[in-house]
Amino acid sequence: GQQLNQSPQSMFIQEGEDVSMNCTSSSIFNTWLWYKQEPGEGPVLLIALYKAGELTSNGRLTAQFGITRKDSFLNISASIPSDVGIYFCAGRRETSGSRLTFGEGTQLTVNP
Amino acid sequence: GAVVSQHPSWVICKSGTSVKIECRSLDFQATTMFWYRQFPKQSLMLMATSNEGSKATYEQGVEKDKFLINHASLTLSTLTVTSAHPEDSSFYICSARDPQHTEAFFGQGTRLTVV
Repeated sequence: GQQLNQSPQSMFIQEGEDVSMNCTSSSIFNTWLWYKQEPGEGPVLLIALYKAGELTSNGRLTAQFGITRKDSFLNISASIPSDVGIYFCAGRRETSGSRLTFGEGTQLTVNP
Repeated sequence: GAVVSQHPSWVICKSGTSVKIECRSLDFQATTMFWYRQFPKQSLMLMATSNEGSKATYEQGVEKDKFLINHASLTLSTLTVTSAHPEDSSFYICSARDPQHTEAFFGQGTRLTVV
């Protein structure tokens, strides 16, 4: 199925820095989700967005549902070593029922 | 919170044999479960949607006779990889939807290696 364009593909940052990643699509989505996956584990939901323009925070994480409904971004502030992992965006289209489409992922490395 | 458990966590099988992976919702009843496949350094690709008591809906390009899905109860779905080949080696992940929550929860995944 169609994949979402997620960028950047990887990031290498110093502890304490802020991080930003985003997902874009040529299609309209009515739900945007952000997940974190650690090696050998399944994804864990971080933030869910359901309305265009919605801005939601979860601790040091903030995500926004783009006003065009074709994009979303995730920010992580004051990164710490345990933020290391792969972050995936996922979207759900109105016509796809409950099925999710995943982005390609952003590999985050945080140097202490 | 809702817990989804997969078994086994990893399995190695010989080429040509079949292997079954279980996905259980431990503390809720899931009418819908999803099966994904993830190759190294790649994204999750949906293979099929499994509804309790009915046939699974497979995504385009996924062979339903090779990847048999059974969802016989509200807490268990199984994925059987039949006549496995080395190219089937991958990380298989299920998710299950808890009616009390909007989004499905993921299992911890099963690493399949076919030798």
